[in-house]
Amino acid sequence: EDQVTQSPEALRLQEGESSSLNCSYTVSGLRGLFWYRQDPGKGPEFLFTLYSAGEEKEKERLKATLTKKESFLHITAPKPEDSATYLCAVYNTDKLIFGTGTRLQVFP
Amino acid sequence: NAGVTQTPKFQVLKTGQSMTLQCAQDMNHEYMSWYRQDPGMGLRLIHYSVGAGITDQGEVPNGYNVSRSTTEDFPLRLLSAAPSQTSVYFCASSPGVGDTQYFGPGTRLTVL
Repeated sequence: EDQVTQSPEALRLQEGESSSLNCSYTVSGLRGLFWYRQDPGKGPEFLFTLYSAGEEKEKERLKATLTKKESFLHITAPKPEDSATYLCAVYNTDKLIFGTGTRLQVFP
Repeated sequence: NAGVTQTPKFQVLKTGQSMTLQCAQDMNHEYMSWYRQDPGMGLRLIHYSVGAGITDQGEVPNGYNVSRSTTEDFPLRLLSAAPSQTSVYFCASSPGVGDTQYFGPGTRLTVL
């Protein structure tokens, strides 16, 4: 069965304390892996798309990487404004399958 | 561009009532989809459409109907609301299958 699993469920970091979020997936025909950020009461906001193993994308303090089984979202020197829920999703043919997300809190 | 818009933002229904959640996009996207988001369950696909006149079921389609008569609009109908349909509903669109999906702001629905 196609599945996306994110870990940890929740993560508390001190401002400046770097860490990584994990997204592992099993899907029969990967067409892309997507990272989104979701703030409370808002819709998911697109961050990155990764299509093949070894690919990396960066945006400010965020860097996403992809292997054949999982993706990591690395957060370098996070700030309180990085606090949000981060969602991972993969396409299986014509449907997007989401993980349950990692809720990140960054404290000053 | 307004992107993906959804109305209403909030809605309270009684069990058995019907209603339509509206979704529109002005990006000329072919692919549109509806998700529901519940605590601990993540986003789950309800229905989707790869183009006008074409719709298909997602993971949790029971109790919901959709139609796609134009490229811009993709309404979601609840025929007889149940408390289990209390959730936050998101509409999304993308240029095509496999492309990045862009989400609307959501509709928070409570069924009493």
